[in-house]
Amino acid sequence: QQKVQQSPESLSVPEGGMASLNCTSSDRNFQYFWWYRQHSGEGPKALMSIFSDGDKKEGRFTAHLNKASLHVSLHIRDSQPSDSALYFCAASEGNYQLIWGSGTKLIIKP
Amino acid sequence: EAAVTQSPRNKVAVTGGKVTLSCNQTNNHNNMYWYRQDTGHGLRLIHYSYGAGSTEKGDIPDGYKASRPSQENFSLILELATPSQTSVYFCASGDARQYEQYFGPGTRLTVL
Repeated sequence: QQKVQQSPESLSVPEGGMASLNCTSSDRNFQYFWWYRQHSGEGPKALMSIFSDGDKKEGRFTAHLNKASLHVSLHIRDSQPSDSALYFCAASEGNYQLIWGSGTKLIIKP
Repeated sequence: EAAVTQSPRNKVAVTGGKVTLSCNQTNNHNNMYWYRQDTGHGLRLIHYSYGAGSTEKGDIPDGYKASRPSQENFSLILELATPSQTSVYFCASGDARQYEQYFGPGTRLTVL
């Protein structure tokens, strides 16, 4: 079983809508969580990190962490076509290695 | 901005041949990583390094070797390539003071 599981595998959202991506960990040693975004033909790029319980907002992106339930989510408001990409959740115990989920493919429909 | 480059960008190899994938970073990061990406598996760690001269096995090291001759360069070596190693390979670098990783553009490897 993967230690970091993402859902859904694929998500289609109309332009201007809200996209919600989920990530669940099975390892309570994970303390640090990241969201990465990968556009087609490129390498992943860090979108935002979240290390503490609660919400973290950066522009149109809001991450939420609940360490008790080992659940992390990413919400994208006012979705744009440029947000279409593969989104990865990654977790770390603090040893500079990241454990990756299998990704959510987000499609923004104009 | 932090920069990680990979070469070649595309490679076709024959089964049993030797393949070397190269990675260069200008970030002056101590840590470097090699991943492969396959549909449904996300990113899987093959080898990583904490600095020049060091290499460590990741989660799927079988069939791969790594070399870190300098702070800037990290290579992935397939001594006897097999079709199961057909994949997209990513190199990344990371600062020892934080956990963010910076990725290169990837190498698409096809083993026939």
